[in-house]
Amino acid sequence: KNQVEQSPQSLIILEGKNCTLQCNYTVSPFSNLRWYKQDTGRGPVSLTIMTFSENTKSNGRYTATLDADTKQSSLHITASQLSDSASYICVVSALTGRRALTFGSGTRLQVQP
Amino acid sequence: EAQVTQNPRYLITVTGKKLTVTCSQNMNHEYMSWYRQDPGLGLRQIYYSMNVEVTDKGDVPEGYKVSRKEKRNFPLILESPSPNQTSLYFCASRKIRDIGMEYNSPLHFGNGTRLTVT
Repeated sequence: KNQVEQSPQSLIILEGKNCTLQCNYTVSPFSNLRWYKQDTGRGPVSLTIMTFSENTKSNGRYTATLDADTKQSSLHITASQLSDSASYICVVSALTGRRALTFGSGTRLQVQP
Repeated sequence: EAQVTQNPRYLITVTGKKLTVTCSQNMNHEYMSWYRQDPGLGLRQIYYSMNVEVTDKGDVPEGYKVSRKEKRNFPLILESPSPNQTSLYFCASRKIRDIGMEYNSPLHFGNGTRLTVT
């Protein structure tokens, strides 16, 4: 069964600090992995996509990594800001005819002043 | 502005009273989907549609119905709501293909409908 596990479930950091969120998956055959940011009371918004051939990709202060061999991805946030407080969801797409998506349960990040 | 619009944002109802949550997208996306989000469980897919008149069950379809008569609309119907359907619901859409090309396009989500069934 395809699964996506995220850790930690929740995280509290001080403004200006860095943090790393983890995503492990067992989705096969693998197509791509996306990280979404979900602000409280809003729908998730895509931050970045990682395909099989990509190891690292940056989007401003967000850097995602992918290790397709170990089936792990991480999202690193640099110099955190209060606006980074949100849930971060890892979503893995399988290479099937239906483009099945498997969602992680998310990491809740709280950035404190 | 490209968006997915859900209505209503908040809904309180009683057990057994039929309700419909509407979803509309203005991006000409082929794919539309409904999810429910519960604490600790993340987003779980209820139903999805690959195109007009094509719908399929997701992971948790029991107690829900959908229809896709037009490309832009994908309503979620609860014929006889029960308290275990109290949840936060999201509609989403994405582009799948264009002129033979497959896209790795992101899901575009609405802002959610918080449903309470008493």
